[in-house]
Amino acid sequence: DQQVKQNSPSLSVQEGRISILNCDYTNSMFDYFLWYKKYPAEGPTFLISISSIKDKNEDGRFTVFLNKSAKHLSLHIVPSQPGDSAVYFCAASDSRLTFGEGTQLTVNP
Amino acid sequence: DAGVIQSPRHEVTEMGQEVTLRCKPISGHNSLFWYRQTMMRGLELLIYFNNNVPIDDSGMPEDRFSAKMPNASFSTLKIQPSEPRDSAVYFCASSFSGRFHEQYFGPGTRLTVT
Repeated sequence: DQQVKQNSPSLSVQEGRISILNCDYTNSMFDYFLWYKKYPAEGPTFLISISSIKDKNEDGRFTVFLNKSAKHLSLHIVPSQPGDSAVYFCAASDSRLTFGEGTQLTVNP
Repeated sequence: DAGVIQSPRHEVTEMGQEVTLRCKPISGHNSLFWYRQTMMRGLELLIYFNNNVPIDDSGMPEDRFSAKMPNASFSTLKIQPSEPRDSAVYFCASSFSGRFHEQYFGPGTRLTVT
């Protein structure tokens, strides 16, 4: 049973435009949500997080939105840069992290 | 500042052999995690330690897998005997208990069992 799902395996956007990555979850006990970024041959890198008591958290070009009623999480990157090209994992926690399958983001110059 | 260090980076072994993966967490971090990444199951938690004590090993696939953390700066994940289905990338991660979820991952060990 996949408790955290990223339904888009890939996303391609133009440099300077907005990238929107989506994530859905099923476990209502999750109380903390995170996004990680992964480059090839490297481990995932923590990007941004949000507690379940908030609906938005912003850090520079990255904003995470949480819709608890819809059990939906999204990451907005604006403006997108070619260096943002990577696999993005969403993760949710109820004491341990459960990761989604990942979305490959490609930002074209 | 050194990040999480894992060795070896690549391991190729034959079915039935013992495999030992090693991890050195970031100094000062007191939580350590072992993950496995496969195409079929994605990134899944195998076990985690807090202050060198195993807290949750419910993700360990079976008795062939074991993990130890003899001190705050070293952990091992052992597979004995190894099987082809164990082929995967194994990641070690560490964090402060105060920021438990913000985990710092090592570069991973790519294991191939033939």
